[in-house]
Amino acid sequence: AQRVTQPEKLLSVFKGAPVELKCNYSYSGSPELFWYVQYSRQRLQLLLRHISRESIKGFTADLNKGETSFHLKKPFAQEEDSAMYYCALANNAGNMLTFGGGTRLMVKP
Amino acid sequence: DAGITQSPRHKVTETGTPVTLRCHQTENHRYMYWYRQDPGHGLRLIHYSYGVKDTDKGEVSDGYSVSRSKTEDFLLTLESATSSQTSVYFCAIRQDTEAFFGQGTRLTVV
Repeated sequence: AQRVTQPEKLLSVFKGAPVELKCNYSYSGSPELFWYVQYSRQRLQLLLRHISRESIKGFTADLNKGETSFHLKKPFAQEEDSAMYYCALANNAGNMLTFGGGTRLMVKP
Repeated sequence: DAGITQSPRHKVTETGTPVTLRCHQTENHRYMYWYRQDPGHGLRLIHYSYGVKDTDKGEVSDGYSVSRSKTEDFLLTLESATSSQTSVYFCAIRQDTEAFFGQGTRLTVV
């Protein structure tokens, strides 16, 4: 069975502060991991995926297989980063996408 | 938005009544999914489909059924709605490894 855990339901930081949203997973195969974001009144959308190793809107995430983690980081938070963030894991067959419980990020001015 | 629309967008229904939510896509994607979103639980998979008449259960399928009689439509039915099914329901399609979501349906069971 695959499982994704986001230990923080709410993370509140000041503008300009570093941000780290934690994600841990359990999966017996080789995982494919994603971060999705939902801004207020918008659809859930892909932020980044581990295989592309890219930085989107200043966010990065590194897959750590030893710690089974895929934490999302940004060095300087902006107010427009305030949103709900979900970590997700796709199984090897690619037909199941499992989400964590989500972390609400609030960036205060 | 990958051509995904959900209907209705909002619905209030009474306990014990049947409810059907519709997901429509215009781009011929094979995989379609229904999730429910609840505070503290994130998104949980209810059912998914991998083709016409091909469906499978997800994590929280009890109390729900689905049908896919044509590629573009994936229907989620609550046979007898209960208050625990009050939630926001999201439909999604898969394109390569990325999921695209509909705008959601807010269902309230009173």
